[in-house]
Amino acid sequence: EAQVTQNPRYLITVTGKKLTVTCSQNMNHEYMSWYRQDPGLGLRQIYYSMNVEVTDKGDVPEGYKVSRKEKRNFPLILESPSPNQTSLYFCASSQGTTNNEQFFGPGTRLTVL
Amino acid sequence: EDQVTQSPEALRLQEGESSSLNCSYTVSGLRGLFWYRQDPGKGPEFLFTLYSAGEEKEKERLKATLTKKESFLHITAPKPEDSATYLCAVQASDYKLSFGAGTTVTVRA
Repeated sequence: EAQVTQNPRYLITVTGKKLTVTCSQNMNHEYMSWYRQDPGLGLRQIYYSMNVEVTDKGDVPEGYKVSRKEKRNFPLILESPSPNQTSLYFCASSQGTTNNEQFFGPGTRLTVL
Repeated sequence: EDQVTQSPEALRLQEGESSSLNCSYTVSGLRGLFWYRQDPGKGPEFLFTLYSAGEEKEKERLKATLTKKESFLHITAPKPEDSATYLCAVQASDYKLSFGAGTTVTVRA
């Protein structure tokens, strides 16, 4: 089954404790992206990657890091989480090198205390 | 700055009561407009892509249309399973993607 998986699905942590949210897709997609979704604000792009070893900033990259060492994986790293990073996070992938017709993961709900 | 505004924020419909959702946008060179459906606790699911004014796409009870300033998602004779949040997104000429906040549709049996 074609899918994007994220882990963990739920995470409660404390300020400053480094964490990683994993994202993996099994569709051999070139493009992968991370979004955060906050009430009333819609989805906002954090980082994206058009191919292995190629990453770029989205609209809200501050406080986040990503890497793309393999085509299928695109982890999101919060080096020192803060309460304003409490949000619902989605990973997405699409064929080609653009953000057309994206497949989204199930989401990771992160709470930073 | 690119902007996407969806209205209404919430829509409550009786089963069979057709209605339309609006997505107004300002964007520097529209490359594409996307509609997604999002069920509670799940990630968005792709529905349609529209590329130019006058274009229409249909899928079951949903029909999406596009003008130079807005897009409409028409829901014809909705069923309870059409209840979801519908998201609109515009892709600018530089491929930057901007999402609206969504319209939450509730269809009562």
